Amino acid sequence: DAMVIQNPRYQVTQFGKPVTLSCSQTLNHNVMYWYQQKSSQAPKLLFHYYDKDFNNEADTPDNFQSRRPNTSFCFLDIRSPGLGDAAMYLCATSITAGGAGTQYFGPGTRLTVL
Amino acid sequence: GQNIDQPTEMTATEGAIVQINCTYQTSGFNGLFWYQQHAGEAPTFLSYNVLDGLEEKGRFSSFLSRSKGYSYLLLKELQMKDSASYLCAVLDSNYQLIWGAGTKLIIKP
Repeated sequence: DAMVIQNPRYQVTQFGKPVTLSCSQTLNHNVMYWYQQKSSQAPKLLFHYYDKDFNNEADTPDNFQSRRPNTSFCFLDIRSPGLGDAAMYLCATSITAGGAGTQYFGPGTRLTVL
Repeated sequence: GQNIDQPTEMTATEGAIVQINCTYQTSGFNGLFWYQQHAGEAPTFLSYNVLDGLEEKGRFSSFLSRSKGYSYLLLKELQMKDSASYLCAVLDSNYQLIWGAGTKLIIKP
């Protein structure tokens, strides 16, 4: 089945220790998104790629970086995680960024910062 | 600013009908999505409305009024597995998805 896969599902890191979250998709979608979602809050878009074009949200901290080496994979790097970065990180994909571009989500990675 | 409003929490009885409302104020409009999110899981797509009116899909229906900046999600014949958060999201003029905080729906037997 075509899908969006995220690894790991649960990640524990220490304060200040870099961590990388991965996302892969078999849908062959052009657009990939990274969201941060804290409990009982709306998902917050961090950045997205349209093909190889990177689009950073204005309020995304520099501590968050992303790479998309090819169509199928996208990585979220958190360079120095703080306690406030503990959250669910959601990867999503869509065919386009427009109205036809329904976003399909992976299962998420829950990040704990100790 | 851009804003999506939906009730924080609702309670309904198994077998009943519930309507979850969403109002929005966004810069432009390119469609409205409803997603279902079970606790600790990712959102899953339920519906997309871009024209006024009602879209029915099994037990779930979604309604849109663009002139009123209003949508609702109607869930019929509620089942216990429908207990989840329901997120309303609007695609603005820049094709950015603006998310509401979600409505937590509690189903009681």
